[in-house]
Amino acid sequence: AQSVTQLGSHVSVSEGALVLLRCNYSSSVPPYLFWYVQYPNQGLQLLLKYTSAATLVKGINGFEAEFKKSETSFHLTKPSAHMSDAAEYFCAVSDLGGAQKLVFGQGTRLTINP
Amino acid sequence: SQTIHQWPATLVQPVGSPLSLECTVEGTSNPNLYWYRQAAGRGLQLLFYSVGIGQISSEVPQNLSASRPQDRQFILSSKKLLLSDSGFYLCAWSRTTVEFPEAFFGQGTRLTVV
Repeated sequence: AQSVTQLGSHVSVSEGALVLLRCNYSSSVPPYLFWYVQYPNQGLQLLLKYTSAATLVKGINGFEAEFKKSETSFHLTKPSAHMSDAAEYFCAVSDLGGAQKLVFGQGTRLTINP
Repeated sequence: SQTIHQWPATLVQPVGSPLSLECTVEGTSNPNLYWYRQAAGRGLQLLFYSVGIGQISSEVPQNLSASRPQDRQFILSSKKLLLSDSGFYLCAWSRTTVEFPEAFFGQGTRLTVV
């Protein structure tokens, strides 16, 4: 079975600092991986996805993630945090079966300090 | 373009009352459809998914049921709500091709059972 572990339920950074949100996955097959962002009382918005093409994936709002098979990781980064980045972030893996179900991590709440 | 509509946005229901949450998708045909629940401070739990009209798969046994009466309509129901049914319910859809494995989410329904 596939699973995702997000290290750190809360991450706090200063405005302008590097953002690093960690995600490790477990999958018996080459995975499809995703990062989603959720603002309070809203649905999830896709930030970026990895589908076995380039290992460095660029997404919206200046975020990017690198797929590292040897480390089974898919960490999310942004060089310079902005106050508007404060939200909850979810890493997910797809089972690629007929229903393409997503398995989510527990989420990381990102706080930006002024 | 494709859009997903989910309503109502908020709902307060007494214990033992029925529930009906509706989700519709526009701009695509034969999507995969999903219901997720997000409990306070926790990740997303897949409740039901559907790969076609009348086809419903349940991920966890519980007090809820789902139906797909039309191609782009997905309904989450309960005959008698429990306190433990409180949470944030999210509907999502995805294409049926692995080239596009990402899911797109509605804005969610905040359900409080009192």
